[in-house]
Amino acid sequence: DGGITQSPKYLFRKEGQNVTLSCEQNLNHDAMYWYRQDPGQGLRLIYYSQIVNDFQKGDIAEGYSVSREKKESFPLTVTSAQKNPTAFYLCASRRAGASTDTQYFGPGTRLTVL
Amino acid sequence: EDKVVQSPLSLVVHEGDTVTLNCSYEVTNFRSLLWYKQEKKAPTFLFMLTSSGIEKKSGRLSSILDKKELSSILNITATQTGDSAIYLCAADSLIQGAQKLVFGQGTRLTINP
Repeated sequence: DGGITQSPKYLFRKEGQNVTLSCEQNLNHDAMYWYRQDPGQGLRLIYYSQIVNDFQKGDIAEGYSVSREKKESFPLTVTSAQKNPTAFYLCASRRAGASTDTQYFGPGTRLTVL
Repeated sequence: EDKVVQSPLSLVVHEGDTVTLNCSYEVTNFRSLLWYKQEKKAPTFLFMLTSSGIEKKSGRLSSILDKKELSSILNITATQTGDSAIYLCAADSLIQGAQKLVFGQGTRLTINP
């Protein structure tokens, strides 16, 4: 069935390490998004991509990097420059240009820094 | 700066009560207002509102948008313990050709039996 998968579900990182969170979708959506959610807060946009090989910074891009080499994949790397990376990370996708369509979310990855 | 504000941030009621959750927004190139329910993981879509004054309903949940007041409400009648969740409101905007959602902080709703 169609959907968005994220892996791993839980991830532990030591300080100073880079880690990569996976996001894959088989919905044939053009646009993909990464959000971060902290306790008691809503979702904040990290990066987004409207088409392959193109992406833009969101509101809190510092310390993160992404790539979009394939339509179905949008991995997020949390670098050692991100000072407070412990959070719940959500990936989403939608059809680009479809104003009446919503974003669909993956199940999320919970990242903890040890 | 684009902003979405939800109130209250937290609400505890008894099963069977009716609740109203509020959302106000200030975003550039507003297109629609969305409501999501988040239990323990990914948000699930509830409503998308594009026209002012037209109520959308799904069972015991309903929502309406007021474009003049830049706000929306989500009503839940005859609440059940399964309605306990975080309810997120998001404004959909078009910025530099890209569609983006701006989320509020969420309302944590707890229904006690």
